Amino acid sequence: KAGVTQTPRYLIKTRGQQVTLSCSPISGHRSVSWYQQTPGQGLQFLFEYFSETQRNKGNFPGRFSGRQFSNSRSEMNVSTLELGDSALYLCASRAWVSGGDTEAFFGQGTRLTVV
Amino acid sequence: QKEVEQNSGPLSVPEGAIASLNCTYSDRGSQSFFWYRQYSGKSPELIMFIYSNGDKEDGRFTAQLNKASQYVSLLIRDSQPSDSATYLCAVLSKAAGNKLTFGGGTRVLVKP
Repeated sequence: KAGVTQTPRYLIKTRGQQVTLSCSPISGHRSVSWYQQTPGQGLQFLFEYFSETQRNKGNFPGRFSGRQFSNSRSEMNVSTLELGDSALYLCASRAWVSGGDTEAFFGQGTRLTVV
Repeated sequence: QKEVEQNSGPLSVPEGAIASLNCTYSDRGSQSFFWYRQYSGKSPELIMFIYSNGDKEDGRFTAQLNKASQYVSLLIRDSQPSDSATYLCAVLSKAAGNKLTFGGGTRVLVKP
C-alpha cells in the first residue's frame, strides 16, 4: 500500500510569488492535514480537510489556503510569499473508522525556500 | 497555556539507559494519544498510540497515560544511539472536531 505522497519535494520561490503544494493520502484515507515546520516553531497546524470539507483550521493568515478533491487528494496554496514562509510543509492522512480517526501518517514533506 | 506541552530538551541519555519523556495536555476531552519520532530532516513516524489509562508496551518502548492528571509519557529502555531524534507527542480530541494537536517535541541525544 503506497504511503502519503507529497510533491514537489523541494521548491525555491521568490518573495511575492504564490505556490501550490500537493498531497496524495494513503488509499482509503479521507482526512488530510497540513503542517508547517520550522526550527524555531516546531510543528504548526495549518488546516485539515475531511471529505472535501475543511474540518479544522489553525492560526495562519488568509494567504494560506487549501482544498481537497473528491479522490481525497489535497492541495495547499500560499499566496504573496514572504521570507518567513520558508519551511518544511508536511501533509498527513488519517483513516476514518467507527469511533473516529486513526493515527496520522506523514508524507516526506515539501521543503519550501523563499528568496 | 499551550494545548500540548513537552520539554524541548535536549535530554541526554547514556547508551543502555532509560529515556523518560513527558507530555501534558490541556483538553480533558482528549481520548487518543500518540508518540512520533522524527529524525533531523525527515518526517515524523508513529511509534506508539495509547487510548486507555495505564501502560502499553511495544518492544523497548512503553507509553503511560494518566487522564486524571492529563499527562502521557514515553519510556525508551536500553537506549541506543539510533534513538537520537526528536519525539513528538500528539493528542486527539473528538470534542475539538477530531483535531490532532502536536507538542513542540523533545530532542533526545543518546551518547555511546
